[in-house]
Amino acid sequence: DAGVIQSPRHEVTEMGQEVTLRCKPISGHNSLFWYRQTMMRGLELLIYFNNNVPIDDSGMPEDRFSAKMPNASFSTLKIQPSEPRDSAVYFCASRGTGRNTIYFGEGSWLTVV
Amino acid sequence: QKEVEQDPGPLSVPEGAIVSLNCTYSNSAFQYFMWYRQYSRKGPELLMYTYSSGNKEDGRFTAQVDKSSKYISLFIRDSQPSDSATYLCAMSAVIGQGAQKLVFGQGTRLTINP
Repeated sequence: DAGVIQSPRHEVTEMGQEVTLRCKPISGHNSLFWYRQTMMRGLELLIYFNNNVPIDDSGMPEDRFSAKMPNASFSTLKIQPSEPRDSAVYFCASRGTGRNTIYFGEGSWLTVV
Repeated sequence: QKEVEQDPGPLSVPEGAIVSLNCTYSNSAFQYFMWYRQYSRKGPELLMYTYSSGNKEDGRFTAQVDKSSKYISLFIRDSQPSDSATYLCAMSAVIGQGAQKLVFGQGTRLTINP
């Protein structure tokens, strides 16, 4: 199994620019999660999809953040406009039907300058 | 108050020592308890998984859950330098329509010194 695949692995962008992070979950998994990790706040759940439908987006910090899952094999997390405080590692994770454990990608390391 | 509290450390112990990592939580609806290990610049990977209260052992690792106290622990015996990583506790509860929400602790950074 290829695991959860995220791109880009590293992104450096200027404040105000749009950032799009991409995720391909494990084939057959029906739940997808976007997390953000920082030293100060740890691992925070941003949004959670079940069968491509957003179930809980209460962790999305503000309107500058948006996430989509157009099909079972692809999701995006977009930040527009980006700010330096958005600098973090963004993880995508997926989970299979009826399972309780989730599997993480390698993360997208975002730096906004 | 956070739903899950975990001491971020850092924790540094000599090789061979027994390590105890702990988390407390406030949501009594949590039923599934996990420990993830995260090496530097990598994604978290599942280490241990436990349902409800009790103990689970896997090699040098033992996970304990005490639901009455809302407290979970991970013990590492005969610790090795390769165990140096950040350990995150995680818990999940059903939030409706069969969906589950997974909440993580902040993670404890552990270093095992040779």
